[in-house]
Amino acid sequence: QQQVKQSPQSLIVQKGGISIINCAYENTAFDYFPWYQQFPGKGPALLIAIRPDVSEKKEGRFTISFNKSAKQFSLHIMDSQPGDSATYFCAAIISGSARQLTFGSGTQLTVLP
Amino acid sequence: DVKVTQSSRYLVKRTGEKVFLECVQDMDHENMFWYRQDPGLGLRLIYFSYDVKMKEKGDIPEGYSVSREKKERFSLILESASTNQTSMYLCASTAGGIRGNEQFFGPGTRLTVL
Repeated sequence: QQQVKQSPQSLIVQKGGISIINCAYENTAFDYFPWYQQFPGKGPALLIAIRPDVSEKKEGRFTISFNKSAKQFSLHIMDSQPGDSATYFCAAIISGSARQLTFGSGTQLTVLP
Repeated sequence: DVKVTQSSRYLVKRTGEKVFLECVQDMDHENMFWYRQDPGLGLRLIYFSYDVKMKEKGDIPEGYSVSREKKERFSLILESASTNQTSMYLCASTAGGIRGNEQFFGPGTRLTVL
């Protein structure tokens, strides 16, 4: 049973455009929502994360928008650059419960020069 | 910086062979994890360990076993490799408790079973 649904599976954006990746979750016990970025040949690395007590978190060109009532959250990459080309995973976790980190299926982002 | 290392980047094995994948972390983390990554399926948890000699099954433990004899080392074992175990295998570690929200990943081992 997939508890975190991620879309789209792949995304192609022109340089300077906005990339948007969406995730939806089912388990209302989740209380921490990280996004991981994975470059080819590397393991995933934490990019940005949000807790459900805020609706938005911004770090540089990366923004998470969170809608608790809809159980949805999304990653926005502003002014997308070719160097942002990577696979992005959303995830959800129950804090303090190491077992309960659940990943989305991933989005392969390609930013064209 | 946290460093998680995996013993091999690429492995090619034959059906029926016993395969060992090794993972070492240098941050004294309590929790360690093994995932497999397949296109369109994301990261699926195979096993995790929250302490030395302790282990718990993840979502897809069938065909795998694990060993954690030392805190810094977590091994994944394929007792008899099969072609459907061809995949990318990722190891990760986290601190314990509420500090453990961020997982630190190794670079992965791409295993091909012929």
